[in-house]
Amino acid sequence: SQELEQSPQSLIVQEGKNLTINCTSSKTLYGLYWYKQKYGEGLIFLMMLQKGGEEKSHEKITAKLDEKKQQSSLHITASQPSHAGIYLCGAADNYGQNFVFGPGTRLSVLP
Amino acid sequence: DAGVIQSPRHEVTEMGQEVTLRCKPISGHNSLFWYRQTMMRGLELLIYFNNNVPIDDSGMPEDRFSAKMPNASFSTLKIQPSEPRDSAVYFCASSLFTGGFLHNEQFFGPGTRLTVL
Repeated sequence: SQELEQSPQSLIVQEGKNLTINCTSSKTLYGLYWYKQKYGEGLIFLMMLQKGGEEKSHEKITAKLDEKKQQSSLHITASQPSHAGIYLCGAADNYGQNFVFGPGTRLSVLP
Repeated sequence: DAGVIQSPRHEVTEMGQEVTLRCKPISGHNSLFWYRQTMMRGLELLIYFNNNVPIDDSGMPEDRFSAKMPNASFSTLKIQPSEPRDSAVYFCASSLFTGGFLHNEQFFGPGTRLTVL
């Protein structure tokens, strides 16, 4: 079964700093989803990447998919306290099934 | 739209009791997912339905767990009998699956925090 690893597990940054979170798959990626979760709440969809080399941006968050490396990265530019939370990557197999999530990266942004 | 609605938000029960969690997906969505989240195991997919039919229930831990989707606007996840190790946050999510192999974004409910004493 597919497994997703994320690094780092947790991250504390000063407001205004840039940061990157990585998600690595044990198998070929057919699509990669990024979600954000605030404590005690459900997940909020950020982006979905479908093709190798694809890069998407939403406000100050950019995600990229590297199919060859079976990896995706999420980059936040000029972080703000509102970016704090847990970031999870998710993926499915080539049948769109066996949906799995990574363990999450806990981000704290200090004002 | 009100989003995905889950009830109850919190449930505290004693070991051996039956627990029923409820979910109302977003109107028009045709896929529904049940997840469980714990500190130890993270977010795990339990089961998902497409057009009210269970497609993948390989994540259901054991026979004590059962899920139903009698119609497009309602689903339940039942645990009978409940055990302390079932304590977790249970999320329901829905999406619109338009074909191919990729699901569109899943919209998550606020979750039900279950504590089994």
